[in-house]
Amino acid sequence: NAGVTQTPKFRILKIGQSMTLQCAQDMNHNYMYWYRQDPGMGLKLIYYSVGAGITDKGEVPNGYNVSRSTTEDFPLRLELAAPSQTSVYFCASSLSGTRNNQPQHFGDGTRLSIL
Amino acid sequence: TQLLEQSPQFLSIQEGENLTVYCNSSSVFSSLQWYRQEPGEGPVLLVTVVTGGEVKKLKRLTFQFGDARKDSSLHITAAQPGDTGLYLCAGANRDDKIIFGKGTRLHILP
Repeated sequence: NAGVTQTPKFRILKIGQSMTLQCAQDMNHNYMYWYRQDPGMGLKLIYYSVGAGITDKGEVPNGYNVSRSTTEDFPLRLELAAPSQTSVYFCASSLSGTRNNQPQHFGDGTRLSIL
Repeated sequence: TQLLEQSPQFLSIQEGENLTVYCNSSSVFSSLQWYRQEPGEGPVLLVTVVTGGEVKKLKRLTFQFGDARKDSSLHITAAQPGDTGLYLCAGANRDDKIIFGKGTRLHILP
């Protein structure tokens, strides 16, 4: 079972460049999430989706965009990369969200540096 | 804004010792989850506690949810080097969002 797959694992961008972080899950989960994890900090929610075609902002959405055209995929787009977006990005999925106490399954992360 | 405070931030102890780490909030959560994260990997769920006062055991790990559902603790008995990692607590309510603490980084010395 692949679970949650994130690509790429590492990337270096120049200020102002754009890129898309890919996330795919093969567990038929409805809910998907994007977090960023900065050194010494917990995970902060960027965007989440409760199903295909539906996305919502999390705690730190500025500078990012998402789309959810299929159940399996939830890409995260950075349009104008800034040094403050240097972080490790984690994608997660869960079957039915927090109402049924479902766990989140995480990918291994994308380590992104903006120079 | 709901916050989860984890303490201590760092803990380094000898193999075989016992330890407790804490997760505290001024807010009530409908459930609380504990995750362990190893370098270069995503967090992995250890346990979910739902009922106030609930205690769950996972081999040498004991998790407790406070009676008021605002706090939780993780107790490890006879710590082993394999327990080394970042322990994250995460509180959930019924709005589909999970709030993570900053974590306790645990290092078990052989």
